Formats: sequence, C-alpha cells, structure tokens
Amino acid sequence: AQSVAQPEDQVNVAEGNPLTVKCTYSVSGNPYLFWYVQYPNRGLQFLLKYITGDNLVKGSYGFEAEFNKSQTSFHLKKPSALVSDSALYFCAVRDNSGAGSYQLTFGKGTKLSVIP
Amino acid sequence: NAGVTQTPKFRVLKTGQSMTLLCAQDMNHEYMYWYRQDPGMGLRLIHYSVGEGTTAKGEVPDGYNVSRLKKQNFLLGLESAAPSQTSVYFCASRPRGGGATAEAFFGQGTRLTVV
Repeated sequence: AQSVAQPEDQVNVAEGNPLTVKCTYSVSGNPYLFWYVQYPNRGLQFLLKYITGDNLVKGSYGFEAEFNKSQTSFHLKKPSALVSDSALYFCAVRDNSGAGSYQLTFGKGTKLSVIP
Repeated sequence: NAGVTQTPKFRVLKTGQSMTLLCAQDMNHEYMYWYRQDPGMGLRLIHYSVGEGTTAKGEVPDGYNVSRLKKQNFLLGLESAAPSQTSVYFCASRPRGGGATAEAFFGQGTRLTVV
C-alpha cells in the first residue's frame, strides 16, 4: 500500500523568505509524486510532478520540489515566499505497479501562511 | 475552459435524505474519481471509474453509490445521508494517456452538511 506523510500541519514564513513544505512517501514500486495547492473555497490545482530524471522539479508559480530517493522525500520549496502563496498544500503519490485505477494517495495537507 | 464542473456547490441535507452530486468534465477523460475532504485527513477516495459503464470502490465507499452512464459524467449518490457524511466532496478526472504519470484535474468542490 502506498502512503504519504506531511509532518507539519502548518508552516508560517515571512514574506520574502524561502519556504519549505515537507513530504515523505512510501510505495512498493517506483513513485510518481505530485504537489497540489488548494486556495480557500477552491478545488485542487496541480503544481508539479516528479516522474523520473532530474531530482529537482520546477513547477507553477515559482515552486520547485526536490526528490530524494534515499530519504523517500519530496519537499516543496520556493526561494522567496509571497503572501498570495498562503494556501493548503497537498503532496500525493501514485505508484507505477500497473494497478488499473491510477489513483492518487494524498497526504493530510499543510497549511502555509505567509506573513507580510 | 470549463474543465471539471461540480453541481451543486453547497447543500444542506437532513439525516436520512438522499441526494446526487453531479460531476461533468469536458476534456474527454477516461478516468474519474470522487474524493471527500475532511479536516486533518486530506482527501480520501470514495469511488472511481476507469471508463464509461464501469465503477469501483475506493478507500471509503460505504454509504455512497456511483454511476458512469456517460463518459463525461460521474454521479455520486448518498442513499440515506448521515451526519458523518458532512464533508467537502471533490471530483477529479484524468486522461488514460500518460499512464500513471498524468496529473488529475479537480472540480471546485461541493460542501455538504448533514443535520
């Protein structure tokens, strides 16, 4: 069974500072990893994904994530936080074992608050 | 671009009532999913469909039924609503192409309260 852990319920960061939202995963095969963002009263929006190749993945709105196979982590990062980045962030994993549903398993979410 | 549209956006039900949530996507996606989102629990998969006429159970299927009579629509039914089904419900879709690598697209959610 696949699982995702987001160890921090909330992350607070000052505007202009770098931010990191943590994610660790567990899958039986090779992982496909995703980050989604949810703004208040909105659906989830895709940010970025890791499939294979370069461990540093760049995505939307200046976000990037670093895949670390030995630590089974996929932390989301941004060099300089904006107040508009305040939202709920979800990490998700899907394995490549060939299960027919291709369903995503989500973490519990991390609320990011960027303080002006 | 409409993408994934959920109807209704808000609903209040009395315990024991039934209702159907509609999800419509205009991207010709084969796969569709229903999730529920509860505080501190992330998103949990209720049911999913890998194509027209097919459905399967997810992680938390009890108390829900689904139907996929048309490729573009995925309906979620609550047969007899219970307060434990108070939640925000999200529909998602994704194409078959790309295998496990394709990202899913989400609707804006339905906030359901059962009193």
